[in-house]
Amino acid sequence: DAGITQSPRYKITETGRQVTLMCHQTWSHSYMFWYRQDLGHGLRLIYYSAAADITDKGEVPDGYVVSRSKTENFPLTLESATRSQTSVYFCASLRGLEQFFGPGTRLTVL
Amino acid sequence: AQRVTQPEKLLSVFKGAPVELKCNYSYSGSPELFWYVQYSRQRLQLLLRHISRESIKGFTADLNKGETSFHLKKPFAQEEDSAMYYCALQETSGSRLTFGEGTQLTVNP
Repeated sequence: DAGITQSPRYKITETGRQVTLMCHQTWSHSYMFWYRQDLGHGLRLIYYSAAADITDKGEVPDGYVVSRSKTENFPLTLESATRSQTSVYFCASLRGLEQFFGPGTRLTVL
Repeated sequence: AQRVTQPEKLLSVFKGAPVELKCNYSYSGSPELFWYVQYSRQRLQLLLRHISRESIKGFTADLNKGETSFHLKKPFAQEEDSAMYYCALQETSGSRLTFGEGTQLTVNP
């Protein structure tokens, strides 16, 4: 049972580049989420999705784009990376009232 | 809009001492409240939820609607309890979680 996976686990990129973070789940959960984790801010919701082809903004969506063509995948794209987007990104899916988290992607924007 | 506040960013106790991690929330409706934990090099995972009224790994949390608090308590801390703890609120009819800033708990030997 692989559960929920994220790739890459670590990424270094430069300002202005496009970056896509991948998230895959094997459970067929309807809801999926993207968070960023920053010191002093905890986890903040970037985007979420209730089902394939249904996405909605969270608390901090600016500079990010998501898509969900298949239930199991929920990629997050930074269209033009900025230094302020240096963070740890977590993907999660929902079963009942419990969210299950991926291992995270540590992104550094130089 | 809902808000979750964890006033202590860092908390350090000795093994065997009681520990309390504070969480306060603001929400106009009747919230669902959770504690999530992230151990070193592990994924964030659910520790407990208020509706279950359960004790997990010796931890309990009571929802106090009058004080809008959901503090996490353990009578005797263990070294393996060292981790980052997040309090989270879910809207009554929603799926989104609002997290607090987190409290890094260190239990010293």
